[in-house]
Amino acid sequence: EVQLVESGGGLVQPGGSLRLSCAASGFTFSDHYMDWVRQAPGKGLEWVGRTRNKANSYTTEYAASVKGRFTISRDDSKNSLYLQMNSLKTEDTAVYYCARVGAELGYNWFDPWGQGTLVTVSS
Amino acid sequence: AIQMTQSPSSLSASVGDRVTITCRASQGIRNDLGWYQQKPGKAPKLLIYAASSLQSGVPSRFSGSGSGTDFTLTISSLQPEDFATYYCLQDYNYPLGFGGGTKVEIK
Repeated sequence: EVQLVESGGGLVQPGGSLRLSCAASGFTFSDHYMDWVRQAPGKGLEWVGRTRNKANSYTTEYAASVKGRFTISRDDSKNSLYLQMNSLKTEDTAVYYCARVGAELGYNWFDPWGQGTLVTVSS
Repeated sequence: AIQMTQSPSSLSASVGDRVTITCRASQGIRNDLGWYQQKPGKAPKLLIYAASSLQSGVPSRFSGSGSGTDFTLTISSLQPEDFATYYCLQDYNYPLGFGGGTKVEIK
């Protein structure tokens, strides 16, 4: 079964840091791009960023709202994806999802998604 | 950044109704668009990719259409399990962008 499980969420003060993890199983993790998406309480979905695979040099892309503060990385030997979040702001409070990027004939999609982990930024 | 405008933001419908949700991109995105369903407290689920390709395992009452700037998700006969929030997502270029969502409620 293809599965993604996030961990590492919690309460952090403004200006603080937190590292989220996403453990993958049931597929060849190293082949896939992987993304992070977040959802503030009661709000819609917001794309956070992407890491490409080794074949594409593990390059990354970020939303403007997190660029320079968040870093996406991966460890293919551990089938794990990470989101390092620094200089956290109250507006970063959200459920954070990891998602596998599927691809075919140049089209991409997110499937599956993890169950999400809640990050609360508050003093 | 490409803006994705979804409409309506919410709708009320009855079981068996035909439901149509639209998504408009602020510039052409070919057919690089997906549709996702989210139920309360759950992760989103892929329904449609490449604007009109049905994801494996998704019921055939769901369909997508469109290209360029205007896209549609149609549920041909609404079922009780379809009451949820639906989002479009453009993956034409970075930053990727979701529509604001459409909440489908029971009439």
